[in-house]
Amino acid sequence: EAAVTQSPRSKVAVTGGKVTLSCHQTNNHDYMYWYRQDTGHGLRLIHYSYVADSTEKGDIPDGYKASRPSQENFSLILELASLSQTAVYFCASSGQISNERLFFGHGTKLSVL
Amino acid sequence: QQNVQQSPESLIVPEGARTSLNCTFSDSASQYFWWYRQHSGKAPKALMSIFSNGEKEEGRFTIHLNKASLHFSLHIRDSQPSDSALYLCAPTGGYKVVFGSGTRLLVSP
Repeated sequence: EAAVTQSPRSKVAVTGGKVTLSCHQTNNHDYMYWYRQDTGHGLRLIHYSYVADSTEKGDIPDGYKASRPSQENFSLILELASLSQTAVYFCASSGQISNERLFFGHGTKLSVL
Repeated sequence: QQNVQQSPESLIVPEGARTSLNCTFSDSASQYFWWYRQHSGKAPKALMSIFSNGEKEEGRFTIHLNKASLHFSLHIRDSQPSDSALYLCAPTGGYKVVFGSGTRLLVSP
């Protein structure tokens, strides 16, 4: 099965600090996604990418930046972390749009204090 | 902009019951219609999908799709406690994949 690896598994950050969440896939997938999930709720799309060196804004991009330096790697950057960004963040990848499933990483639990 | 709504938000059913989950969407250009399942503390995992109007069955799970009504649903026959999870729908048609807010299902033994 396709493998998506996120790091770190969990992180505690201070308000105003910089946070970088990393995602690595070894599936040769073109499409990668960052979602956030608040406790008990669904997934909200932050940023996505369909090719290296290019990223697109999702539905909730404010306060987040994304970077796709290679096909395998996709990072999510919080330049100035805020309390409201406490959540679980999931990275996902897929091989083709629409007709292929997304494969998710195990998630990163971020707590901003 | 795709708007995806799921209902109900949550439900509790007894073991062995038939369960129905609903998903409505706004983008009529959507082509593939996915259901994902997320057990507590785990990552979401794709369950099954459909791309043409009608129904598709896989084991105890059936998807119904009505593109004209912008609606698809997931039906679980003989619900089991192991089916307790958050169910997420995702109608897709391009690079951007948006999920509904989810239905939390609890199957009581």
